[in-house]
Amino acid sequence: EAGVTQFPSHSVIEKGQTVTLRCDPISGHDNLYWYRRVMGKEIKFLLHFVKESKQDESGMPNNRFLAERTGGTYSTLKVQPAELEDSGVYFCASSRGAETQYFGPGTRLLVL
Amino acid sequence: AQSVTQPDIHITVSEGASLELRCNYSYGATPYLFWYVQSPGQGLQLLLKYFSGDTLVQGIKGFEAEFKRSQSSFNLRKPSVHWSDAAEYFCAVAPGNAGNNRKLIWGLGTSLAVNP
Repeated sequence: EAGVTQFPSHSVIEKGQTVTLRCDPISGHDNLYWYRRVMGKEIKFLLHFVKESKQDESGMPNNRFLAERTGGTYSTLKVQPAELEDSGVYFCASSRGAETQYFGPGTRLLVL
Repeated sequence: AQSVTQPDIHITVSEGASLELRCNYSYGATPYLFWYVQSPGQGLQLLLKYFSGDTLVQGIKGFEAEFKRSQSSFNLRKPSVHWSDAAEYFCAVAPGNAGNNRKLIWGLGTSLAVNP
């Protein structure tokens, strides 16, 4: 069984540009989560999808962040326009039920 | 507010020595508890979890953790550390009775270095 995959692994962009991160969950996992770790801080929850619906988006920092999960499969997280403080590692996780989340390798985003 | 505290930011141990990484949480209800590990260049891997039952749980790679409700702690232990255990370790909690809402709350992480 393939694990959670994320693309790209690294992204370096300039302030004001747009970046789209992608996450492919484990096949059959209805739950998909996005988290972010800013350097020196703890990992923080961004949002949770159940299939294609947003179950909880309380952690989204602001309206520059847009997450989608069309068809209930892969998900994208778009940052537009990117700011310096958006730099960090973005993790995606998926789960079949409500218990154990399996994580992808993360996308390292650097905004210059 | 819900929070997870990992008091040790960085720990160095010698190979073969025992290890204990501390985790304390502040949570209104009995949470689900997790330890994840991130090796250099890798993603987050689940080491072990506690939902209910026996408070001493066994995980992968020879790790174990003990849930102590009275101390709100979930410390991670390993009797003999290997050089490959050098990594960053994260303690996380999730609501134990919140339906499908399982967002994880994380500690800052503990970076483990292993001396040969």
